[in-house]
Amino acid sequence: EDQVTQSPEALRLQEGESSSLNCSYTVSGLRGLFWYRQDPGKGPEFLFTLYSAGEEKEKERLKATLTKKESFLHITAPKPEDSATYLCAVQAYNQGGKLIFGQGTELSVKP
Amino acid sequence: EAGVAQSPRYKIIEKRQSVAFWCNPISGHATLYWYQQILGQGPKLLIQFQNNGVVDDSQLPKDRFSAERLKGVDSTLKIQPAKLEDSAVYLCASSFLDRVMETQYFGPGTRLLVL
Repeated sequence: EDQVTQSPEALRLQEGESSSLNCSYTVSGLRGLFWYRQDPGKGPEFLFTLYSAGEEKEKERLKATLTKKESFLHITAPKPEDSATYLCAVQAYNQGGKLIFGQGTELSVKP
Repeated sequence: EAGVAQSPRYKIIEKRQSVAFWCNPISGHATLYWYQQILGQGPKLLIQFQNNGVVDDSQLPKDRFSAERLKGVDSTLKIQPAKLEDSAVYLCASSFLDRVMETQYFGPGTRLLVL
């Protein structure tokens, strides 16, 4: 069964304190791994798509990496505005466009 | 470019009542999805449309949930009768095939509370 597990469930950082979020997955034929950001009361906002092991993508203070079993979202020198829930999702070749999501990591960055 | 639109944004009903949600996808996006997000969990797919045809409705509770996408654009999701466990955020997403990957863009969601 295709599955996505994110850790930690919640992460509290001080402004400027770098850290990483983990997304472990099992999927029969990975078509793509997606990272989304979700603010309270809003829908998920697309951040990155990763297609193959070894791939990396960056956007401002965020950098996503992918291996055959997991993905990391590295946050460098975070700011309070980076506070949100970060969702990881996988898409498999044999399941159309369906995204299978993890439960998310709730990030809080204090000034 | 306008994003995915959903209405209403909030809805409170009593159990056994019926409710309907509406979604207008991004212009030109052929694929439309409805997801259910229970508090503290990630979204879970309910149904996927390609134009006005159903691609995947394997996780849609068909005894009480129904969805349609007339003319391949707007879509409605209906619950009848609602149960307490249907309290959740209902997210609509749309996508188009760009070379090798379809990126799904989400609307703001409809927050449903069943009392």
